[in-house]
Order: sequence, then C-alpha cells, then structure tokens
Amino acid sequence: QSVVTQPPSASGTPGQRVTITCSGSSSNIGSKTVNWYQQLLGTAPKVLIYNNNQRPSGVPDRFSGSKSGTSASLVISGLQSEDEGDYYCAVWDDDLLGWVFGGGTKLTVL
Amino acid sequence: EVQLLESGGGLVQPGGSLTLSCTASRFTFSNYAMTWVRQAPGKGLEWVSSISASGGSTYYAGSVRDRFAISRDISKNTLYLQMNTLRVEDTAVYYCAKGSYDYVWGSYLDYWGQGILVTVSS
Repeated sequence: QSVVTQPPSASGTPGQRVTITCSGSSSNIGSKTVNWYQQLLGTAPKVLIYNNNQRPSGVPDRFSGSKSGTSASLVISGLQSEDEGDYYCAVWDDDLLGWVFGGGTKLTVL
Repeated sequence: EVQLLESGGGLVQPGGSLTLSCTASRFTFSNYAMTWVRQAPGKGLEWVSSISASGGSTYYAGSVRDRFAISRDISKNTLYLQMNTLRVEDTAVYYCAKGSYDYVWGSYLDYWGQGILVTVSS
C-alpha cells in the first residue's frame, strides 16, 4: 500500500476531460510540491508536470496540474489516443526522507 | 539532449551482489542530484535511492537500506548502485534519473535512462 494513493484506472473517449487524483498527507503533499510522470507502453517514464502545476517545454497544454491541501490532481483536457498509458504522482516525504510514488493510474482511451 | 545509459544488469542468484552504472552525458553531471527508481514486472514505479550533487547526502528506501549503496564518480560522469544481499523481490527494471537541482528533496526527475533489467533468481 503506497503512502500516496491514486485510482488504479481511469478512462475517457477522445476529446473528453479526465482527472486523476493523488491523495497523501501532511508529511508529503501537504508540505511539498507534487510531480506527475507519464509512462507510455514499453517506454521510460517522463515528467509531465512538476512543482504542482508547471509543464516542461514540449508538454502540451492539455495537461495541467493542481494541488490543494493533501491532494493533487492531474487533468487531461481534449483526451487523445496517444495519451493512453500509466500516470504516476510523486512527492518527497519528510517523514520517510525519500520520494514516494503513487501506485499509478492506467489511463485507457476508449 | 541529456543522455543517461544504464549498464551492469543481468541475472544473479538470491544473496548475490551486482553493481549498476549510469553513464551521464550532455550535461554537467556534478551540478545535479541523481536518483535510482525501479519497476518490478507489471508493477508501478518505486523510488530506490538518491544522491545530492556533491555526494554528501544520500537517501534510501526502507526496502533497500543497509543492502544497497548509491555513489557517484564526477571524473567519470557515472552514477552507481551497489546492490548486496539481493532478494527475489529486487527483480525489476532499474532506471537512472537526473534531478532538476543539486539537492534531492526539491528536485523533480527531468530525464530518465531507458532502464536495465535485474533478475534475482536461482
């Protein structure tokens, strides 16, 4: 059981908006910034959102992030078939003195 | 573009040892924290260990503390993960990742290697 929890799956049709949540505690999300990673099938993860809501260059603005209290969210607007893959939230935990990853959310584009 | 190339993986028996290397290029290796993340077959990502840019601060997941050791050689632009007393549950693809800053806790992992498979089995 991960310290930070995500729903195991999410789905949507092309063009829809999908939200993936990440729930933690005061020792991680409540006090540190959240990062989101995308892992497409058979590839290495890549950063999608950093510092709660910042997009690296090259990441489409369809992807957005937010944080409130001890929860964070990743929103994908205008869902596309190439968005299908696994999404992970990650955050530093002050009690564990290490990174914690959410269990991952498998996104299916119907 | 930043390149990270892992090596040293393979098959090892339970209780054995293995050292992973990650050769970095196209960025100033000495300026950034580095991290190892692993992924067991069909499972999610698991943080393993991180080291600050100077090498003065190291961090370990509870599952590997006292068995694994992270280090870096600035002269060789290489990150290492010495893995001892390996267990079947250490079987995973191990990724090397670059931190965005020189310190660990505030960084995000902005570049990842392609990963290397470590299989622990008799």
